Amino acid sequence: GNSVTQMEGPVTLSEEAFLTINCTYTATGYPSLFWYVQYPGEGLQLLLKATKADDKGSNKGFEATYRKETTSFHLEKGSVQVSDSAVYFCALTGNNAGNMLTFGGGTRLMVKP
Amino acid sequence: DADVTQTPRNRITKTGKRIMLECSQTKGHDRMYWYRQDPGLGLRLIYYSFDVKDINKGEISDGYSVSRQAQAKFSLSLESAIPNQTALYFCATSDSGTHGYTFGSGTRLTVV
Repeated sequence: GNSVTQMEGPVTLSEEAFLTINCTYTATGYPSLFWYVQYPGEGLQLLLKATKADDKGSNKGFEATYRKETTSFHLEKGSVQVSDSAVYFCALTGNNAGNMLTFGGGTRLMVKP
Repeated sequence: DADVTQTPRNRITKTGKRIMLECSQTKGHDRMYWYRQDPGLGLRLIYYSFDVKDINKGEISDGYSVSRQAQAKFSLSLESAIPNQTALYFCATSDSGTHGYTFGSGTRLTVV
């Protein structure tokens, strides 16, 4: 079946540091890949997505590239802000029943001023 | 108005009580889902519905039931709440494609 593995957190960075959150997946066929963000006290929001190999999703300064050869979709940001502190979930929809989302376990990011 | 609305936002209930969590959406999506999130971050699927006449169990359906009253409404019930059902509950919707899910803001349930 499909699965998503994320690096465990928490990830603690200083403001303006470079961020990478690793995500690798297992799926048959050609899944679509997503990053969701959950700010404190809120639900999950779609941050970015990529639907085919070599696509780059980007939003709010975050980027992730769909790497089929390494089955990865790492999230990056060049300069994090305190307001980026949140939990980040990698997810995919694959060829399972009806394009159901499979989530990774989430990675908490804490950015200190 | 939010695309996916959950009520109540917070609820404290006693062990053994029946409780219903409600979800409504204005996205026009056919598919709706209930997830549970526990401390430690992960989301686990409780039930899902691909249309009004379709209800499916997720990975942790024991102790829960659902009702799809209309395309826009999907409610989750705990028939007899127990303390280990204390969690954050999320409703989500999607279309049948690859555009991701839209989540509600969550219901924080505490069973004492």
